[in-house]
Amino acid sequence: QLVLTQSPSASASLGASVKLTCTLSSGHSSYAIAWHQQQPEKGPRYLMKLNSDGSHSKGDGIPDRFSGSSSGAERYLTISSLQSEDEADYYCQTWGTAWVFGGGTKLTVL
Amino acid sequence: EVQLVESGGGLVQPGGSLRLSCAASGFTFSSYWMHWVRQAPGKGLVWVSRINSDGSSTSYADSVKGRFTISRDNAKNTLYLQMNSLRAEDTAVYYCAIATPGGFYWGQGTLVTVSS
Repeated sequence: QLVLTQSPSASASLGASVKLTCTLSSGHSSYAIAWHQQQPEKGPRYLMKLNSDGSHSKGDGIPDRFSGSSSGAERYLTISSLQSEDEADYYCQTWGTAWVFGGGTKLTVL
Repeated sequence: EVQLVESGGGLVQPGGSLRLSCAASGFTFSSYWMHWVRQAPGKGLVWVSRINSDGSSTSYADSVKGRFTISRDNAKNTLYLQMNSLRAEDTAVYYCAIATPGGFYWGQGTLVTVSS
């Protein structure tokens, strides 16, 4: 069964970097994923599509501070030079016969 | 610019029905599969349903199968979600969304509240 696992929460200081992790279930390590950001009281916003080889393509207007990488079944979202507006929920998503979402990581910027 | 605008949400009693709409613009609507995703209060994103580009194939999450029906009108660039036999656990913000070669696009969502 295709499942995405995310840590429920993460925190980092203003101006620092943070790396969020999304883990694909066993047997699905070749799958691409997408990362989405959801700021408080807003709808989701597409950040990037991330392939198993680490290549990624970002959505329109997504700052260079956001980058993606991959290792095995792990997919990462790194946000550098954290700003207050980066405080949000981050969801990874993949697709097979249906769309599948991770549980989301709530990022707090200290 | 891709735009997806949902409408039709509101307060409905358990067992009632509601039809959501998603008006699309800025892309060739008839070329893309469309999806509904929902988010219960304080919870994460959950895929609900999808429909292929010409409407001939649909798929549903187990939680809504047999109660919800997705459809589209390519002449009107509009996606629909007919929701019947609504339950309290269907309370959520409902988003329409698409995946294109350029990435994913989301609407702003419409709130459905199922309560007596």
